[in-house]
Amino acid sequence: EIVLTQSPATLSLSPGERATLSCRASQSVTSYLAWYQQKPGQAPRLLIYDTSHRATGIPARFSGSGSGADFTLTISSLEPEDAAVYYCQQRSNWPTFGPGTKVDIK
Amino acid sequence: QMQLVESGGGLVKPGGSLRLSCAASGFTFRDYYMSWIRQAPGKGLEPISYISGSNTSTYYVDSVKGRFTISRDNAKKSLYLEMKSLRVEDTAVYYCARTVGYCTSTVCYFDYFDPWGQGTLVTVSS
Repeated sequence: EIVLTQSPATLSLSPGERATLSCRASQSVTSYLAWYQQKPGQAPRLLIYDTSHRATGIPARFSGSGSGADFTLTISSLEPEDAAVYYCQQRSNWPTFGPGTKVDIK
Repeated sequence: QMQLVESGGGLVKPGGSLRLSCAASGFTFRDYYMSWIRQAPGKGLEPISYISGSNTSTYYVDSVKGRFTISRDNAKKSLYLEMKSLRVEDTAVYYCARTVGYCTSTVCYFDYFDPWGQGTLVTVSS
């Protein structure tokens, strides 16, 4: 089973700042990595698939990059509504999710 | 607009049973794998079961194998999860999700899950 590790566990930033979230796999997942946003009391929402493709309706401030075993989700300029937990997910064999990064807005 | 709506959660005693439903709209339901993914209180996301669009293939995580049964009715655009012999550790919010990917004879590759339903809470407690 491929294990995903996310860092940092928590990120506390001010509106307008850049957020950089990391997802590392225990082995290569090529380019098949997705990112989700989950706000309190809500279901997860797909943000990014196949490493860098934004899902329908996702603002351009969200971007994904990486390959192999190291991936990054970047929020270029944080908005108050971006406060959430962000999960990465790999597709190989049995899909698994990372433990999440919580983004707090100061 | 794609939408999934779950129902059927509730409080059940250990050893009991429950049936979850998920109604789909806004996409060609029969063309997609569908999944159940659960989230224990304060925990992460755990995919537990998948079913092919044609209803011919099903997959389960080891912790629910033999106790849970996934099924679908393409005419009704509905997904189901029959849960038996429930345990305290099955307590979670259960989400259904449209699943983009495919399976070979030996392995499944699910690129992503989109959309998700709002979730239904299953509490197993005496």
